Amino acid sequence: GQSLEQPSEVTAVEGAIVQINCTYQTSGFYGLSWYQQHDGGAPTFLSYNGLDGLEETGRFSSFLSRSDSYGYLLLQELQMKDSASYFCAVRGGSYIPTFGRGTSLIVHP
Amino acid sequence: EAGVVQSPRYKIIEKKQPVAFWCNPISGHNTLYWYRQNLGQGPELLIRYENEEAVDDSQLPKDRFSAERLKGVDSTLKIQPAELGDSAVYLCASSRDRSSYEQYFGPGTRLTVT
Repeated sequence: GQSLEQPSEVTAVEGAIVQINCTYQTSGFYGLSWYQQHDGGAPTFLSYNGLDGLEETGRFSSFLSRSDSYGYLLLQELQMKDSASYFCAVRGGSYIPTFGRGTSLIVHP
Repeated sequence: EAGVVQSPRYKIIEKKQPVAFWCNPISGHNTLYWYRQNLGQGPELLIRYENEEAVDDSQLPKDRFSAERLKGVDSTLKIQPAELGDSAVYLCASSRDRSSYEQYFGPGTRLTVT
């Protein structure tokens, strides 16, 4: 089976940097993705790591360590609009996707 | 390009009634996913289609849920009969193929069973 652990909630202030961690257990591994979901909205893709290291996309970066079964999403220069839920998702054997329970990010002015 | 289309957006039914959800994926996307998302939880995969073939349906409650993907394009997810615990958001997503890491999600159907 596959399981993921991520914090349920993170709070930060505008302009700050926040890191959302994700640890996973999976049989087979084809990469770790991150999705953002605003209340009432659809999940939207943010970032993907198939290999170890850091991937940067604008204000968002994602990191993966396959040996530690660990990854994180880093959000810089936080804005109010970044308040949302963030999900890590792993693709395990046969490319089966499994999502974490999500981290609610609250950005304060 | 047009995104993933789902209908209806909202549905309220009484328990034991049937309900169906429809999804039109992004043109050219071979892989289609149906997820269920409960409040405060992540999406849970119900079934994945590769073209018209259903794969990875181990989480689909087959006694009451059924799905089909006609001609490898549109898909329908049905529940019959619905139970109170089926209240959730049903999300459809698509990707170019099963190895594509980016999934494109539709807006979802919010089902309330009373």
